[in-house]
Amino acid sequence: KAGVTQTPRYLIKTRGQQVTLSCSPISGHRSVSWYQQTPGQGLQFLFEYFSETQRNKGNFPGRFSGRQFSNSRSEMNVSTLELGDSALYLCASSLAGGIDEQYFGPGTRLTVT
Amino acid sequence: SQQGEEDPQALSIQEGENATMNCSYKTSINNLQWYRQNSGRGLVHLILIRSNEREKHSGRLRVTLDTSKKSSSLLITASRAADTASYFCATLPGAGSYQLTFGKGTKLSVIP
Repeated sequence: KAGVTQTPRYLIKTRGQQVTLSCSPISGHRSVSWYQQTPGQGLQFLFEYFSETQRNKGNFPGRFSGRQFSNSRSEMNVSTLELGDSALYLCASSLAGGIDEQYFGPGTRLTVT
Repeated sequence: SQQGEEDPQALSIQEGENATMNCSYKTSINNLQWYRQNSGRGLVHLILIRSNEREKHSGRLRVTLDTSKKSSSLLITASRAADTASYFCATLPGAGSYQLTFGKGTKLSVIP
């Protein structure tokens, strides 16, 4: 079974630009969660989607948004990038969300200059 | 905000020794999960323990959960150099939340 894939793996953007990250979950998984990982704040929950519905959103500004498609693939978007958005963005898929084990992708390393 | 807090922040042991990491959390939970992260394999799920369970085993891993003390521990027996990684606990609150909250992790170094 193929694992969780994330594209792109690395990204360099300029302050003020916007970025879209993509996540393809394991086949059959309907839940996709997104996390931001930084050395200072650790792993922080962004949002979770299940069958195209956002069920939970973390404490991030409205510049961070996401969506899930009918095939369970998910995208997250960050608009008006700030230097502090530089981080590793991880997505995780599971059958039903946090009640199940999460399978993480390799992450997208975003650098904002 | 971090729900789970791991202790110690860093741990260095010799190969063959046991390693114990602890996690404390603040509010009631549905389950608690342990993950490992190293540069080679990314973030990998280790064990999930539900609030009505007290102990779970998986190979060389043993996890205990004490809901009265709001704490959990992860024991790795007979450690190997390949166990060198950061270990995170993650908690899922009760009451219909789907938000897993991770602690900041314990960095384990196993010296060959």
